[in-house]
Amino acid sequence: QVQLVQSGAEVRKPGSSVKVSCKASGGTFSSYVFSWVRQAPGQGLEWMGGIIPMFDTATYAQNFQGRVTITADESTSTAYMELSSLRSEDTAVYYCAREDLGGDSTGYYYFPDWGQGTLITVSS
Amino acid sequence: DIQMTQSPSSLSASVGDRVTITCRASQSISTYLNWYQQKPGKAPKLLIYAASSLQSGVPSRFSGSRSGTEFTLTISSLQPEDFATYYCQQSYTTPHFGPGTKVNIK
Repeated sequence: QVQLVQSGAEVRKPGSSVKVSCKASGGTFSSYVFSWVRQAPGQGLEWMGGIIPMFDTATYAQNFQGRVTITADESTSTAYMELSSLRSEDTAVYYCAREDLGGDSTGYYYFPDWGQGTLITVSS
Repeated sequence: DIQMTQSPSSLSASVGDRVTITCRASQSISTYLNWYQQKPGKAPKLLIYAASSLQSGVPSRFSGSRSGTEFTLTISSLQPEDFATYYCQQSYTTPHFGPGTKVNIK
């Protein structure tokens, strides 16, 4: 099992940006894909994007294109999610989640490990 | 984009009840369908992957099945710790979650 530990809660003003970290331990960082999933208060789960650290390639959901940047630092086994031009609707808990690069042994993809979540509050 | 729907959006059940939750994909996703359980203030927990494979450590009262683009999560005998919200997620393309089903105590 891979442990994912995220950075702490943040409060930001509208128009600003925030960067959340997700440190992985207990596995081989470069063999994973890291996604970011957000959950607004009382709402469901929304995939924002993901990164393959081995290839340093990121993919983003259309809803977040141009506002989100996902990066990874293999030297510290840490993935990052930066969201810019924040608005009140971005107030949510942001989770990082891990899946195996290339899927499991039978080629299936799923998120067996999740971070504890980071609450981002956007308020003036 | 592949859209996922779930039904019901919520249900009330008693301990010991058999509970069934349905998830439908807007197009074929083969068996690339996962189920998660989420309790308030906690991260989602993987229950079922590849439509019917039980994640390690998950009680055997949870099971998943598929019929075409319709997927079912069944809890054979609801336990007190099972009151939570359940999400399906397709992994055929970029991940997309269903809207969730909240299981309440009757």
